[in-house]
Amino acid sequence: DADVTQTPRNRITKTGKRIMLECSQTKGHDRMYWYRQDPGLGLRLIYYSFDVKDINKGEISDGYSVSRQAQAKFSLSLESAIPNQTALYFCATTSGNWGDTQYFGPGTRLTVL
Amino acid sequence: SQQGEEDPQALSIQEGENATMNCSYKTSINNLQWYRQNSGRGLVHLILIRSNEREKHSGRLRVTLDTSKKSSSLLITASRAADTASYFCATAPPGGSQGNLIFGKGTKLSVKP
Repeated sequence: DADVTQTPRNRITKTGKRIMLECSQTKGHDRMYWYRQDPGLGLRLIYYSFDVKDINKGEISDGYSVSRQAQAKFSLSLESAIPNQTALYFCATTSGNWGDTQYFGPGTRLTVL
Repeated sequence: SQQGEEDPQALSIQEGENATMNCSYKTSINNLQWYRQNSGRGLVHLILIRSNEREKHSGRLRVTLDTSKKSSSLLITASRAADTASYFCATAPPGGSQGNLIFGKGTKLSVKP
């Protein structure tokens, strides 16, 4: 089974709708991340969490919120979706030790009409 | 803000040829990592090089790091059609939170059979 899973894998929604993207990991790591990927822009960090009680904003947090329900679960919400939030969203996790890598989920393709 | 910039943005080669991608970054680093992304999929870690290392090998991959020039290169030897993917460098700044990475915009590699 995959170490990091994301649901849904694809979602089409309308402007103004509330959307939640979910992420679960079985690596046992404390640190979890949400990234957004747009063509030609690489990955940009939305939010990250070092543990259940530690949530931090990333580079592009406006319009997004997150919830760390447990060590293994980290959800991203779009309270009122807008078309420029159409993108590929990735969740990742890492141990946080220097030299460790990040382990990515398969991504959620979100389209906001 | 993005730290790494890959060059070229796109590269097209024939199977069997070598592929070289470059990454330049702006600030000091603890380590630099390379990731691969197949179209629309999650990123997969390829190789990590620490700031005190100059060269590292893994199979057909060779990574170099020049901290004086703030640059790294990824060489894929004897490329295969299956190497077709986007490749990203990611840096771990020493002053940043452990585990956090800053990704570049990627090089899109196309290997033609």
